[in-house]
Amino acid sequence: AQSVTQLGSHVSVSEGALVLLRCNYSSSVPPYLFWYVQYPNQGLQLLLKYTSAATLVKGINGFEAEFKKSETSFHLTKPSAHMSDAAEYFCAVSAQTSYDKVIFGPGTSLSVIP
Amino acid sequence: DVKVTQSSRYLVKRTGEKVFLECVQDMDHENMFWYRQDPGLGLRLIYFSYDVKMKEKGDIPEGYSVSREKKERFSLILESASTNQTSMYLCASSFSSQRELFFGEGSRLTVL
Repeated sequence: AQSVTQLGSHVSVSEGALVLLRCNYSSSVPPYLFWYVQYPNQGLQLLLKYTSAATLVKGINGFEAEFKKSETSFHLTKPSAHMSDAAEYFCAVSAQTSYDKVIFGPGTSLSVIP
Repeated sequence: DVKVTQSSRYLVKRTGEKVFLECVQDMDHENMFWYRQDPGLGLRLIYFSYDVKMKEKGDIPEGYSVSREKKERFSLILESASTNQTSMYLCASSFSSQRELFFGEGSRLTVL
């Protein structure tokens, strides 16, 4: 079975500072990993996904994430935060075997301080 | 662009009422899903469907049912709404070969 933990339900950063959102997963088989973003009063949209092609994954809006198998982590980073990055971020996992459901973490709310 | 449309953004219902939440996707996706989102709990899967007239229970199916009579439409039904079903409901769809989910904007349900 798969599971996801996200360290920190709320993270605040200053505008221009590094953004680091943590995600650890548990999976008995090679996983697919995802980061989704949810802006206020909207649904979720995909930021990036890991499907085993490359361990460093680049996504939209300057975000990237690195798959570290030894640490079972998939942390999301962005070098310089922008006010528009304020949102809820969800890490998610799915098994790479035959179709498996996607399991979401509890989410991290990112605030960007001017 | 893929579009997943949920029929109602906001609903207020009374305890015991029957509630229908409708979801339509326009990209011919085989898979459709209903999640509920609650603060601190993330998204929890209620039901999903791989094909027309087919449904599978997710992690929290109790108190809900679904219907998929056409490929593009997936309905969530609360037979007798209760206050603990007050939540944000998110519909999503995907291709069979992909895990990437495309979400609607959500339906915020309040049960009084």
